[in-house]
Order: sequence, then structure tokens, then C-alpha cells
Amino acid sequence: DIQMTQSPSTLSASVGDRVTITCRASQSISYWLAWYQHKPGKAPNLLIYKASSLESGVPSRFSGSGYGTEFTLTISSLQPDDFATYYCQQYHTYWTFGQGTKVEIK
Amino acid sequence: QVHLVESGGGLVKPGGSLRLSCAASGFIFSDYYMSWIRQAPGKGLEWVSYMSSSGDTIYYADSVRGRFTISRDNAKDSLYLQLNSLRSEDTGIYYCARADEGRFQHWGQGTLVTVSS
Repeated sequence: DIQMTQSPSTLSASVGDRVTITCRASQSISYWLAWYQHKPGKAPNLLIYKASSLESGVPSRFSGSGYGTEFTLTISSLQPDDFATYYCQQYHTYWTFGQGTKVEIK
Repeated sequence: QVHLVESGGGLVKPGGSLRLSCAASGFIFSDYYMSWIRQAPGKGLEWVSYMSSSGDTIYYADSVRGRFTISRDNAKDSLYLQLNSLRSEDTGIYYCARADEGRFQHWGQGTLVTVSS
């Protein structure tokens, strides 16, 4: 099974900050990686697919990069609506989510 | 506009059963692979099951294989998940999602399953 490890688990930041979340796969997954934003009581929202492709309708302050086993999600300037939990997910072999990164208000 | 609505959750005793449903609208349901994903209280997302558009390819997570059964009715634009031999660790919110090349592009709001005596 492919394991996905995110860091950090929790991140405290202020509006306007540049935020980076890292995701590591236990084996190479090529570019088969997605990022989701999840808020309590809401459906998860796809942000990035194929490691760096921005989903339609997602603000351009979100970006993704990486290949193989190391990936990052970057929010260039954190907005009030961005405080949420973020998950990476591999879809190279079945499907596995990372444990999540909660972005909190500093 | 893609719309997915889950139903069928509730309180059930350990060892009991439930059938979850997911009603789809706003797209040609029979063209898409579908999946179930769950979230236990205070935990992260966990993929549960996946079914091809025609229903001939099915995958399950190890944690539910042999207890859960995914199915679909393309004539009714609906996805189902039969949950048997339920355990306390199956408690959580169950989401259905539309899959596009493996990624989960659209999700429902979820239905809560609570397994407790």
C-alpha cells in the first residue's frame, strides 16, 4: 500500500502569509496527486490534480508542484476563506489520503 | 450543475447493517466512475470503495472488504453502499464522490453513520 505523509499537521498563519504544505509518498506516484480543501460540515473541494493542474474555479493563489514522491501545495497569500484542513491524495494505485494539515488563524 | 445527495445514515448497533444511497444529478451518471469516502470523528479522509461506470470493476479498502458492497443503478442515477457487520470504527460521515481520471472532482455533503450499542 502507498502511504501519504503530510507536514505539518497544524499550521498557524496570518492573512496575507505565504503558506506551504508538504506531502510525501512512500513510493513513486508520478504526478498522480490531488489536493483538497475541507471545512467542517462541508463537502471536500478539489483544488489541484495531476500534482500541479488547477481545478476550474479555484483561485490562482493556490498552486501545486512536485513529482515522484515529494509534493507541495502553496497558498501565495492566505485569505480568510482559506482557513481549513488540506489533504493530499494519491491516485496512482488505488487511493490514499494524507492525514491532513489544519491551517489555523495565528 | 453536478449534485450528489447521500442518504441512509443513522444509528445502528454493532453487527448491524445499513444501506447508504447517493442520488446524482446534473451530469450523465452512467458515464462516470463513482466512489465512497468516509471520515471518522476527529480523523482524516479514508477511501472506502470505487466502482466503474458500468459496474464491472470494483475496488474496496482492506478495512471494509467482505463487509461492505458497492453497487449502482444507472437507470436511477444512484450509487449505493451496503454496510454489513458494522463495527464502532465504521462510525463517521460517508461521502459519495464522482471520479474523473481517478481524482474526486465532485462530492456530496455526506451522511452520518453511528455504530454504537
